[in-house]
Amino acid sequence: DTAVSQTPKYLVTQMGNDKSIKCEQNLGHDTMYWYKQDSKKFLKIMFSYNNKELIINETVPNRFSPKSPDKAHLNLHINSLELGDSAVYFCASSQHENSPLHFGNGTRLTVT
Amino acid sequence: AQSVTQLDSQVPVFEEAPVELRCNYSSSVSVYLFWYVQYPNQGLQLLLKYLSGSTLVKGINGFEAEFNKSQTSFHLRKPSVHISDTAEYFCAVRGRNAGNMLTFGGGTRLMVKP
Repeated sequence: DTAVSQTPKYLVTQMGNDKSIKCEQNLGHDTMYWYKQDSKKFLKIMFSYNNKELIINETVPNRFSPKSPDKAHLNLHINSLELGDSAVYFCASSQHENSPLHFGNGTRLTVT
Repeated sequence: AQSVTQLDSQVPVFEEAPVELRCNYSSSVSVYLFWYVQYPNQGLQLLLKYLSGSTLVKGINGFEAEFNKSQTSFHLRKPSVHISDTAEYFCAVRGRNAGNMLTFGGGTRLMVKP
């Protein structure tokens, strides 16, 4: 059973469109995250969310918004996609703040 | 706030040779330290972690790392690498204060040659 699963695995879309990436974890973890990995493999935290608090990296454009229907899900919605949004997006979860992160396999987003 | 520097973007090494991947960090507070590995087209997997106690930590696949507080380093080592160790390795740090998020280094590509 996959612990952290993301869909879709690949997403190709045009500039200006709105898209969502879904993430689910079956580990019972309290906190979920979204990371962006650029073409140079650099990983940047975008959001951290638990049932109490959303922490947003201030450098993330407000076109990006996390949506959590319940504790096991944290979806990423992106409005008005731009070419620079092309990257691999990783969802992750952890039990506590000092616990390791469990990552999904990523969603490769290509904006044309 | 904290930052992580991985000094080598690529490390080529022959199979069965030892390897060290370097990681230095900066932080205004005490930290937790981690190493993750990323195989092609996959997410990151935890190799090992330092939370407290012994400064030498052992992880999966024969890797180990040593926390050096005075040098603010957390270098990753393996005495004998295999072809299957070829991957991207990421050092990461998280401040012990509540609300801190995990910050990654830029990654080091380990290339093991036969």
